[in-house]
Amino acid sequence: QSVVIQPPSASGTPGQRVTISCSGSTSNIGIDHVYWYQQVPGMAPKLLIHRNNQRPLGVPDRFSASKSGTSASLAISGLRSEDEADYYCAVWDDSLNGRVFGGGTKLTVL
Amino acid sequence: EVQLVESGGGLVQPGGSLRLSCAASGFSFTDYYMDWVRQAPGKGLEWVGRIKNKAHRYTTDYVASVRGRFTISRDDSSLFLQMNSLKTEDTAVYYCTRDNWGIDMWGQGTTVIVSS
Repeated sequence: QSVVIQPPSASGTPGQRVTISCSGSTSNIGIDHVYWYQQVPGMAPKLLIHRNNQRPLGVPDRFSASKSGTSASLAISGLRSEDEADYYCAVWDDSLNGRVFGGGTKLTVL
Repeated sequence: EVQLVESGGGLVQPGGSLRLSCAASGFSFTDYYMDWVRQAPGKGLEWVGRIKNKAHRYTTDYVASVRGRFTISRDDSSLFLQMNSLKTEDTAVYYCTRDNWGIDMWGQGTTVIVSS
């Protein structure tokens, strides 16, 4: 069980807005930046969000994220079939002196 | 083009050793921290460890499960992961990643299978 908790699954229909949560503690999310990654099966992960809410060039503005206290969330609006993938949050943990990933959330587009 | 290319994966028996390499190009490699991340079959991502840059004396950090068995090193253009005393639970795809206060770039991964 990771020290950073994500729901194992989420789903939505095309055009809907879905959110994925990432719950941590004062030794990780509470004090450091959260990163979000998208992983399509069989492929390497891809950076979606850095420094809590910043989108890299090329990531659509349908993807947004926020952080409050020891929790963070990723929102995907205007859901599309190609958004079906696994999503991971990640953050540095000062107590473990290591980077931790959430367990991942499998997003299904119905 | 900014790129990370891993190599060196394969099949190894429990207790054996393997050395992974990662060739970096398209960015100022020596300025960045670099991490290894792995993913066991059907499982999530697990951070393995990182090596800082020269300015921070190439200091390394590891996840508890590999500490004492794995060693991360680097030269001017490549990252390495020396894996000793391998266990079946080390079976995974190993990703070389760039660490820019968080991982912002991933290689395509190389597969390590530990089995007798």
